[in-house]
Amino acid sequence: SAVISQKPSRDICQRGTSLTIQCQVDSQVTMMFWYRQQPGQSLTLIATANQGSEATYESGFVIDKFPISRPNLTFSTLTVSNMSPEDSSIYLCSVIAGGDYEQYFGPGTRLTVT
Amino acid sequence: AQSVTQLDSHVSVSEGTPVLLRCNYSSSYSPSLFWYVQHPNKGLQLLLKYTSAATLVKGINGFEAEFKKSETSFHLTKPSAHMSDAAEYFCVVSYFNKFYFGSGTKLNVKP
Repeated sequence: SAVISQKPSRDICQRGTSLTIQCQVDSQVTMMFWYRQQPGQSLTLIATANQGSEATYESGFVIDKFPISRPNLTFSTLTVSNMSPEDSSIYLCSVIAGGDYEQYFGPGTRLTVT
Repeated sequence: AQSVTQLDSHVSVSEGTPVLLRCNYSSSYSPSLFWYVQHPNKGLQLLLKYTSAATLVKGINGFEAEFKKSETSFHLTKPSAHMSDAAEYFCVVSYFNKFYFGSGTKLNVKP
């Protein structure tokens, strides 16, 4: 299994600013992902965070808006840049861990942009 | 393209009656399929998963799901609903190590 922590748990930010969200895993994992869950919506995959190389972004998401770092196998950051109210969401980090190919989720970061 | 469709956005049942949450998938490959539950203001919890072993999968809290390739379905069932089952349920398809979520089904359980 994997235990994931995220910081901050929530934040209220002004439009035009940026917020960096941290994700820490209690074990080394190869696969790490970032998701967004907009109010009342399902989860949408933003990108796969690759250790030692650039993240792989899904359609509709770009590096300039959501830069991701993955300096090692237990840590990643997601930055939400130049925020607008439409970025108000819960952002979740997840990993695949264990021999059973299970996906584990962090508790999420609730972001409100005013 | 790979996708998953949850056919009902809301399902309401009475406590003690059966639960059926429907999910259909589209995949060019043999998929891995999952059901997750999200209680209000809580994190996501894995209920069960199908990864090409037995087609009838048993999960936690009395839930189970059956993989039917001919119908491209992976419906979630429970024989008897409990009040604590009220939550949102997500069907998830996985391929190439990526996980794609359905739109979710909110389950309401009436006393």
